[in-house]
Amino acid sequence: NAGVTQTPKFQVLKTGQSMTLQCAQDMNHEYMSWYRQDPGMGLRLIHYSVGAGITDQGEVPNGYNVSRSTTEDFPLRLLSAAPSQTSVYFCASSYSGTGVIFEQYFGPGTRLTVT
Amino acid sequence: GNSVTQMEGPVTLSEEAFLTINCTYTATGYPSLFWYVQYPGEGLQLLLKATKADDKGSNKGFEATYRKETTSFHLEKGSVQVSDSAVYFCALKEVIGNQFYFGTGTSLTVIP
Repeated sequence: NAGVTQTPKFQVLKTGQSMTLQCAQDMNHEYMSWYRQDPGMGLRLIHYSVGAGITDQGEVPNGYNVSRSTTEDFPLRLLSAAPSQTSVYFCASSYSGTGVIFEQYFGPGTRLTVT
Repeated sequence: GNSVTQMEGPVTLSEEAFLTINCTYTATGYPSLFWYVQYPGEGLQLLLKATKADDKGSNKGFEATYRKETTSFHLEKGSVQVSDSAVYFCALKEVIGNQFYFGTGTSLTVIP
């Protein structure tokens, strides 16, 4: 198993540009999520999905879009990049189920700089 | 709402010293609790977990006990090594739903 993979590893954007961060997992996990990691703020949830066709907003969703057309893939789209979106982005996945606890598996991260 | 508060860092220790990183939480009901570790340039990895009160999670010499009465899940290790240098995150998963809540992370540096 490759686990959770993310591409690209590094990206530099100019303000106003758009791009898609890719995330894929091969563990057949229903639950997938995107976090951003900023100094002194830990991980903040951007969007998450509990299965194909189902997505929901997390704590900091503004400026980001997601879709989940397959179980394996969960891309994160930046519509019009802003310097405030400079961050490290992590994708994570886990099995899902109320009353059953499964830990999250994380990808290696994408370091994004917006100038 | 749910939240996790963990000890501010950075923490610097000498090799073989005792480590404690404090973590307290706010949640409804009985969440599951986790410690994740992040090595430089990598994603987070699960270190240990506990799913009910008085459970003790342990891995690689690290331990944490789920204390419902004090809403705490402090991470401890009796003798740290240079290879333990990393950022440690405390997290909780709510009882209903799938969201995880993370603390801000505590950076640990162990010097020889």
